[in-house]
Amino acid sequence: DVKVTQSSRYLVKRTGEKVFLECVQDMDHENMFWYRQDPGLGLRLIYFSYDVKMKEKGDIPEGYSVSREKKERFSLILESASTNQTSMYLCATDRDRESYGYTFGSGTRLTVV
Amino acid sequence: AQSVTQPDIHITVSEGASLELRCNYSYGATPYLFWYVQSPGQGLQLLLKYFSGDTLVQGIKGFEAEFKRSQSSFNLRKPSVHWSDAAEYFCAVGSGGYQKVTFGTGTKLQVIP
Repeated sequence: DVKVTQSSRYLVKRTGEKVFLECVQDMDHENMFWYRQDPGLGLRLIYFSYDVKMKEKGDIPEGYSVSREKKERFSLILESASTNQTSMYLCATDRDRESYGYTFGSGTRLTVV
Repeated sequence: AQSVTQPDIHITVSEGASLELRCNYSYGATPYLFWYVQSPGQGLQLLLKYFSGDTLVQGIKGFEAEFKRSQSSFNLRKPSVHWSDAAEYFCAVGSGGYQKVTFGTGTKLQVIP
């Protein structure tokens, strides 16, 4: 089975800090995604990537950036954390363009104080 | 733009009773449809998916879903619910090709003895 590992389960950061959320997958999947999950809002797409040199904005990219230097690693960066970025962050992967359904990591619950 | 509606925020069923979770989608062509389950504090797990062919699809954990194009629906069913099915369920729609999947806001299932 594909394993998607998110480096931290829980994080507490201060307002204004630069925050890095890491996601690593071990099955050579091409596509990687970052979502945030908030009660009543479901999952909202922040950024996604179909290739090492490629990244695309999702529906709510403001305040975030991403990095994909290697195929297996996709990092989400909060340039200057704010309290409204307190959320559950989920990384997902998919094999290729035809989509076989996402494999999700366990999530990182980020609290910005 | 594609969208997904899960009209029921919360559903309570008795153990052993049947279950149907509703999902309606909006998409111009033939959609890719998914159901995911999220146990408390965990990431999402793919239950089943529909791309084409037989409109009744079988998934893991005894779940099935039926694609009804005329009703733009993809409802999830299970004939007999177990206490371990208590979780949050998300319906999702994708557009094929380079997948960008849109999730519903989720239905939280409570199972009572």
